Amino acid sequence: GESVGLHLPTLSVQEGDNSIINCAYSNSASDYFIWYKQESGKGPQFIIDIRSNMDKRQGQRVTVLLNKTVKHLSLQIAATQPGDSAVYFCAESDSGGSNYKLTFGKGTLLTVNP
Amino acid sequence: NAGVMQNPRHLVRRRGQEARLRCSPMKGHSHVYWYRQLPEEGLKFMVYLQKENIIDESGMPKERFSAEFPKEGPSILRIQQVVRGDSAAYFCASSPTGRWEKLFFGSGTQLSVL
Repeated sequence: GESVGLHLPTLSVQEGDNSIINCAYSNSASDYFIWYKQESGKGPQFIIDIRSNMDKRQGQRVTVLLNKTVKHLSLQIAATQPGDSAVYFCAESDSGGSNYKLTFGKGTLLTVNP
Repeated sequence: NAGVMQNPRHLVRRRGQEARLRCSPMKGHSHVYWYRQLPEEGLKFMVYLQKENIIDESGMPKERFSAEFPKEGPSILRIQQVVRGDSAAYFCASSPTGRWEKLFFGSGTQLSVL
């Protein structure tokens, strides 16, 4: 989930397990949400997005759940693989519906143990 | 189709010098966005440019920072008289048609100010 200090929250899972990464957002006006994966030394890579008129969206091995009542977003990764190890960021759009002015959370470090 | 290309990957400057960061968007993309990332934090929006135009610079400091995206050549983020607080990773992203499209990020430029 969101970090509140200097160190990233971490999640350690075994290969093959399912992973759930959580994110809390504060802007009730946000209407577009994205999950990004960032590997060391690289830029963020798009994983999946969801608009506020939906509460669930599925991709390949990933599912995003949105709970607007409690302003909570989660990313579920099925059958986690070592290649999934990275920092995961949730991001929200808070500029009247455009997709570019994203506000990023502080990230969660996912470590997958073989 | 090459991705978003940023150079240099690493840039070291002394306080008071100028830093110039370059970004070549993906082929066919005419919209460019710059973000800054401090250690263990999420990315923060700085500026959105279209060819020869600044669309939104609301996230960019008013002093010392400027950005351009000329008709020919890469987008340039320029930081004059750098200070230690400018040390960060600077990411560029591009999209084909603007505000409703997904952003594709480059690998970033790590700026270190001594």
